[in-house]
Amino acid sequence: EPEVTQTPSHQVTQMGQEVILRCVPISNHLYFYWYRQILGQKVEFLVSFYNNEISEKSEIFDDQFSVERPDGSNFTLKIRSTKLEDSAMYFCASSGLRDTGIYGYTFGSGTRLTVV
Amino acid sequence: TQLLEQSPQFLSIQEGENLTVYCNSSSVFSSLQWYRQEPGEGPVLLVTVVTGGEVKKLKRLTFQFGDARKDSSLHITAAQPGDTGLYLCGSRLTFGEGTQLTVNP
Repeated sequence: EPEVTQTPSHQVTQMGQEVILRCVPISNHLYFYWYRQILGQKVEFLVSFYNNEISEKSEIFDDQFSVERPDGSNFTLKIRSTKLEDSAMYFCASSGLRDTGIYGYTFGSGTRLTVV
Repeated sequence: TQLLEQSPQFLSIQEGENLTVYCNSSSVFSSLQWYRQEPGEGPVLLVTVVTGGEVKKLKRLTFQFGDARKDSSLHITAAQPGDTGLYLCGSRLTFGEGTQLTVNP
């Protein structure tokens, strides 16, 4: 079964450093998303991406964050200057033909980001 | 802002019992998804409900979408220990807090 692949599975970084989280969405999916989940809290939407541009973003997704699809397969989330409160699981997801959830969203296994 | 409230937050039952998890909102959703999430893993999609009043069955799991598309429920019949896990309802932009289900043998 097709899956969304995320790397690395765990990243530890120092406060103020830049990190790039990588995702390979399902190959024929067109919509891509990033979510985060702080330990013990609910999943929070960060950003959706379609046709090489951001289609929607949350209040969390401020100027410290950026997304990119540098080639035909990868989808990245960059945090420019990490803060302690950025520590969380970050999930990438992709969906099929329509951004309405009708075909559901496939999530990756996540990257656990720890900022020290 | 669309909010989804799940109840109960925790549920501990004996094997063989039935249970229902609720997902409520004051907002209308074009669709809702139900997921199961294991510790340290991403949510795994169980079902998407789209049409008001829709009922979908997945073996012992029955999912309903409210007529007004503001609420949904998950009913598990004859729960088994393998059903233990965190059940989430969600849409593209928002998720519930989840229901942590424990089924004791």
